[in-house]
Amino acid sequence: GAVVSQHPSRVICKSGTSVKIECRSLDFQATTMFWYRQFPKQSLMLMATSNEGSKATYEQGVEKDKFLINHASLTLSTLTVTSAHPEDSSFYICSARSLPSSYNEQFFGPGTRLTVL
Amino acid sequence: QKEVEQNSGPLSVPEGAIASLNCTYSDRGSQSFFWYRQYSGKSPELIMFIYSNGDKEDGRFTAQLNKASQYVSLLIRDSQPSDSATYLCAVSRGNQFYFGTGTSLTVIP
Repeated sequence: GAVVSQHPSRVICKSGTSVKIECRSLDFQATTMFWYRQFPKQSLMLMATSNEGSKATYEQGVEKDKFLINHASLTLSTLTVTSAHPEDSSFYICSARSLPSSYNEQFFGPGTRLTVL
Repeated sequence: QKEVEQNSGPLSVPEGAIASLNCTYSDRGSQSFFWYRQYSGKSPELIMFIYSNGDKEDGRFTAQLNKASQYVSLLIRDSQPSDSATYLCAVSRGNQFYFGTGTSLTVIP
């Protein structure tokens, strides 16, 4: 099956620092990657959709200047949380859509747990 | 109206029983339907997808789709404690992808 990796799996940082999370599709090309955030015991919340070679599309309420997304290649997308604060502490999960895909399925990475002190 | 609706549960079934998880969607133009399993603290894992009316079986899992009723279900036969997780229903339409909020399933040994 399609494999998506994320790095790091866990990060603890001080308030005010920036954190970069990488999402890679390992055995397929992904024209589209998605970034989600999930708080404890809550459902997935889509933050943005990232298309290779173009600007990300952010969901309403998500600050694009705070959550910088870059999708530079068909196998790599990065999410940078700039000037992180404790309220940004969450589980960040990326997913990728394989190409070609008849059914539009998404495959998820293992997630990155961010803790901001 | 939400795109995808699921009963949040919790749903509890005894080990060995059939667990039935249900999902409804609002847009008749939805094309593909997915079931993901998410263990606590982990990311979602794709279990099955279905795009034609009827049943699709994979091992102990059966997905059922009824487009006329805009209804998707997942049956888990011979439920095991390891099936205890949150099950997310998702639908896609064009380039859009919509998740339900998930149903928590507990299989009691």
